[in-house]
Amino acid sequence: DAKTTQPNSMESNEEEPVHLPCNHSTISGTDYIHWYRQLPSQGPEYVIHGLTSNVNNRMASLAIAEDRKSSTLILHRATLRDAAVYYCILRGGGGSEKLVFGKGTKLTVNP
Amino acid sequence: NAGVTQTPKFRVLKTGQSMTLLCAQDMNHEYMYWYRQDPGMGLRLIHYSVGEGTTAKGEVPDGYNVSRLKKQNFLLGLESAAPSQTSVYFCASSYFGGSTGELFFGEGSRLTVL
Repeated sequence: DAKTTQPNSMESNEEEPVHLPCNHSTISGTDYIHWYRQLPSQGPEYVIHGLTSNVNNRMASLAIAEDRKSSTLILHRATLRDAAVYYCILRGGGGSEKLVFGKGTKLTVNP
Repeated sequence: NAGVTQTPKFRVLKTGQSMTLLCAQDMNHEYMYWYRQDPGMGLRLIHYSVGEGTTAKGEVPDGYNVSRLKKQNFLLGLESAAPSQTSVYFCASSYFGGSTGELFFGEGSRLTVL
């Protein structure tokens, strides 16, 4: 299973942009990059996903490197409600549903 | 629309007891998953199912059994609970498999084994 590597923790100030990195050097050509976040005492929730091109939605933007070996989740203006653990996972097109989450990045947002 | 519902939300067991966690989804999803999350850790996949009547092992399947007799339900069983199975258990479901399907998670079931 393709692995991802994320920093254990990051800090940001409220209303500033946040860039959360993820390395996935063994990504295959059919793997999509998915991001989820887990608020305290809740189940994870979907944030965004992409294949090659940068993606935007109401929650965040996803910037994918040209060689696809890394990606960055961008929160344009962090709020206190964005404090969570963010997970980057790879979801393959080969039919494998063995979806493996790492430890993620714990984001702290300072007021 | 309830989404993904886990039952029970809390349970305390004694070592050696058995129990079943129920995950129900009302979104007609094909794919369902059981994860466990220990304090300060990420999610670890226990078992998953890609359709009614199918199950497959994840990263940490030992000590657990699962069944998917109905499309909307995915049951996780502990035949003989051990303290090492104290954890928060999350169920998830997905309509599309493969590359693009979004996972929907339940709120979690907190299990303590004494």
